[in-house]
Amino acid sequence: NAGVTQTPKFRVLKTGQSMTLLCAQDMNHEYMYWYRQDPGMGLRLIHYSVGEGTTAKGEVPDGYNVSRLKKQNFLLGLESAAPSQTSVYFCASSYQRLASTGELFFGEGSRLTVL
Amino acid sequence: AQSVTQPDIHITVSEGASLELRCNYSYGATPYLFWYVQSPGQGLQLLLKYFSGDTLVQGIKGFEAEFKRSQSSFNLRKPSVHWSDAAEYFCAVDGDTGRRALTFGSGTRLQVQP
Repeated sequence: NAGVTQTPKFRVLKTGQSMTLLCAQDMNHEYMYWYRQDPGMGLRLIHYSVGEGTTAKGEVPDGYNVSRLKKQNFLLGLESAAPSQTSVYFCASSYQRLASTGELFFGEGSRLTVL
Repeated sequence: AQSVTQPDIHITVSEGASLELRCNYSYGATPYLFWYVQSPGQGLQLLLKYFSGDTLVQGIKGFEAEFKRSQSSFNLRKPSVHWSDAAEYFCAVDGDTGRRALTFGSGTRLQVQP
């Protein structure tokens, strides 16, 4: 099994450009998440989804949009990239509510630089 | 709202020495607590978790953590550190039933000296 796969792994954008990060999981997990990781700040939740067709805002949702059209995919979009969105983005998934299983499965991350 | 504090940004220990990484949480009731490890260039991997019951929990790679309600702490320990333990460690809490997601601390980077 591939687990959680993120594409692309690296991307450089100019301010104002748009892009989409794709997360795919092959574990039939219901829950999927997008986090961003910045030095000294740990991981902060951007958006998450508790099932196909659902999305919800996390801690830092501004400037991002998401979609979960298929259970296995969770897309993170930046409509107009800003330098403040330079970060490493992690997708994660879990089989069910974390209180039941306690384990998030993470992708390897996508490093985004906005110039 | 729940929060997690890891007061040590960077820790250096010698190989074979013992290790303790600190984690304090803020939450009204008993939270669900986790420790994750991130090796360079990788995603995060679960080390251990506490839901209820025995306050001393065992994890993978020889790690353990102790939940202390009176101190709102969940410190991670290992009796003898190996060079391969060099990584970044994150404490996390799940106590917000409305959001259904983990809140992570800012992380502690562990360096192991030969």
